[in-house]
Parts: sequence; structure tokens; C-alpha cells
Amino acid sequence: AAGVIQSPRHLIKEKRETATLKCYPIPRHDTVYWYQQGPGQDPQFLISFYEKMQSDKGSIPDRFSAQQFSDYHSELNMSSLELGDSALYFCASSTGMNTEAFFGQGTRLTVV
Amino acid sequence: EDQVTQSPEALRLQEGESSSLNCSYTVSGLRGLFWYRQDPGKGPEFLFTLYSAGEEKEKERLKATLTKKESFLHITAPKPEDSATYLCAVPSLSYGQNFVFGPGTRLSVLP
Repeated sequence: AAGVIQSPRHLIKEKRETATLKCYPIPRHDTVYWYQQGPGQDPQFLISFYEKMQSDKGSIPDRFSAQQFSDYHSELNMSSLELGDSALYFCASSTGMNTEAFFGQGTRLTVV
Repeated sequence: EDQVTQSPEALRLQEGESSSLNCSYTVSGLRGLFWYRQDPGKGPEFLFTLYSAGEEKEKERLKATLTKKESFLHITAPKPEDSATYLCAVPSLSYGQNFVFGPGTRLSVLP
């Protein structure tokens, strides 16, 4: 079965650089979520989209932005990267509200 | 504020030693509770959805149950490959679209 695809899987950036993470949801899923997970921590919600519109916003820094495109894929843009942004970034998709979300394998971002 | 707690934080079992993990939540109007398994460096893998008190779901050696205030993940005769972090999550009270995760239980099953 098709799963959530994230790219790249690994990314190394220097401080103050920008990064773009991509997420391709499961076909026919209309909702995309972005989560950040630091070492030994549970996933922290960043932002979500439903039918290409932002539906909820969590602890996403102003330096980050995201959007969902017409083909439902989503991109998380991260600017002025800081060392503390180093983490695993997960994208998940679901069909509508309050249904189970399926996660991708994540992008490991390292800021040096 | 939505709160999800899990206990124990870590659990070590011998292969074949059954046990239970707990997930407690304080949300008004529960709209589902989800269990995930996460291996190191990988994305959470969906296991179960529970919507109403009394509901039970089973998958291989795992059984999830739900009451009005908590959920249990029972592991029967675990094997080393069951070693992982088990996360529970609930939809946020904000009626937006996000999930609040508990801190997880790190399970180690020793051969």
C-alpha cells in the first residue's frame, strides 16, 4: 500500500541557511500534518492543512512557513536555520478530521 | 488544556512476559484515541484507533482498550521485535486538525 513519502530523508545545513522539506501524502488523503521531534521527545505539532487550506497551527516558528499544493503535496520552508532546529521532521496524512494519521519516515535535519 | 500522559516511561520485559502500558488523557469530548509504535529514527507506525469507552482492538500480540479516562495497550507474550516506543495521541481540543501525543513508553523485550 502507498505510504506517505518525505524528501529528503537527510539534510545537513549551516546556520542561517534555508531548507525545504517535501511531503507527498497517501493518495486521496486531504489532510497533511507537520511534526517536529527532538531526541527523546514526543512529536510536537507544527502546522496542518485540510484541502489546501491551513487548518491549524501549533508551535511553528515565524521563520518557518508551509503550504499544501493543488496536488495535495506539502512543503515546509525553514529559513534562518538555528542549531536548535536540528530534529526529525515528520509529515502525516489522513482523510478528514479525527481519523488516524499515517506518518512518513521523516526528514532528519542537522544544522551545523 | 489537552493533556496526555503515559506510564511507565520505560519498561523492560523478558520474552513471553505479558504486561500493559497506560495512556491517560484529560480532554473534553474525546474524539478518538490513537496508538502508534515508533522505532528509533523512524516515523510513528499506526496501530489502533479507539473511539468509545469499552471498545477493544487487537493486532497480533497487542490489544488496546479504552475507558472514559484512559487506554491500555496490553502486550501478550512479547517478542524482542516488539521493542519500540509506544505513543498514544488524541485529537486536539482546539477543533483544528492536530494530534496531541503522550511522551511514550519505551519498551524493551529481552530474549
